[in-house]
Amino acid sequence: GNSVTQMEGPVTLSEEAFLTINCTYTATGYPSLFWYVQYPGEGLQLLLKATKADDKGSNKGFEATYRKETTSFHLEKGSVQVSDSAVYFCALSPSGTYKYIFGTGTRLKVLA
Amino acid sequence: GAVVSQHPSRVICKSGTSVKIECRSLDFQATTMFWYRQFPKQSLMLMATSNEGSKATYEQGVEKDKFLINHASLTLSTLTVTSAHPEDSSFYICSAVPGTTGNQETQYFGPGTRLLVL
Repeated sequence: GNSVTQMEGPVTLSEEAFLTINCTYTATGYPSLFWYVQYPGEGLQLLLKATKADDKGSNKGFEATYRKETTSFHLEKGSVQVSDSAVYFCALSPSGTYKYIFGTGTRLKVLA
Repeated sequence: GAVVSQHPSRVICKSGTSVKIECRSLDFQATTMFWYRQFPKQSLMLMATSNEGSKATYEQGVEKDKFLINHASLTLSTLTVTSAHPEDSSFYICSAVPGTTGNQETQYFGPGTRLLVL
């Protein structure tokens, strides 16, 4: 079946540190992959996405590359800010459907 | 663009009453909307898929008579929690897929509705 596995948090970093949040998936066919961010008390916001192998999604300094050979979609940012503190969700959408399968989310806390 | 709103943002009700939550796509039409439930510090659980003009499709284990979904227009879906009980307290989030031709897959999420049943 389809599933998404994210690294467990919380992840605590100092401002300007490098961020990696690991995400691996299991899926048949060619799913689309997404990263969403949820700030405290809010809904989810699309951060970036990739729809085919080797695509790189990027937004607000974050990026992730769709790696089919390793079934991964790791989220990276070169220099985090306090304002990046949030919960990050990796998700996949199996090809031919709209449904999302979410990972469990990774809480990021950035300290000044 | 692609803004989704929910109303109310927060609601407190007594046990046994019903609560209606609205989900609107403000600047696009959406044939398909989704309803999720999120428990504290946990991921989103898909409850049902709401299709304009037809019956909602519920995920396994979700009571359709408990969580009534109506998708009467291309910009509005409602979730009614009937005879709410304290265990229904949760954060309910909707999402919408732009387009009426069924070929777009990015979901845009509403800000969520926090329900507290006393």
